[in-house]
Amino acid sequence: DTAVSQTPKYLVTQMGNDKSIKCEQNLGHDTMYWYKQDSKKFLKIMFSYNNKELIINETVPNRFSPKSPDKAHLNLHINSLELGDSAVYFCASSQDLEAYNEQFFGPGTRLTVL
Amino acid sequence: SQKIEQNSEALNIQEGKTATLTCNYTNYSPAYLQWYRQDPGRGPVFLLLIRENEKEKRKERLKVTFDTTLKQSLFHITASQPADSATYLCALTTNAGKSTFGDGTTLTVKP
Repeated sequence: DTAVSQTPKYLVTQMGNDKSIKCEQNLGHDTMYWYKQDSKKFLKIMFSYNNKELIINETVPNRFSPKSPDKAHLNLHINSLELGDSAVYFCASSQDLEAYNEQFFGPGTRLTVL
Repeated sequence: SQKIEQNSEALNIQEGKTATLTCNYTNYSPAYLQWYRQDPGRGPVFLLLIRENEKEKRKERLKVTFDTTLKQSLFHITASQPADSATYLCALTTNAGKSTFGDGTTLTVKP
């Protein structure tokens, strides 16, 4: 009964490759997010979507492209991977865009770029 | 520039004592402040939310204060237990729904 799930949990790849991370939530939420957590544990928002519409895009390189086929899914595709992309990526969801909503996080995807 | 700082990267206390974690911010006008717990290898889990017009919020052994004049939130865990050991993150949320997280404080409660 996982609320927010991500696949894969670990991803090891070479520089220059293209990879995708998938996220699904079964909470019936309208809003989904992608965060990047670096080695210093700093959690930084990348994107947010509300009902499949892009709301927040935080100065993320164009190599990162989120895709929301429906409001329960928000996938992250990364082109031409670089060493600096190595991090843990978290997907999250919330009821809607209201600021008082708590966010539910997935287990994270640890991406290692060699 | 906007900044969120959480006190000392690591905090060690003895079981039974009260842990106090600090979240300071500058150049923000948050509508809400949230605290999350993160265990190693897992995603953050929501603990408490406090609104800008609230001074204090409690939930079981947890207490959060929010001082918009000092631009500071304090997070207290009373009667701490080894199971409380984790990283605690504060997050400021604006009315536009954007959350910005601090870099966390790792709490270790020793038996």
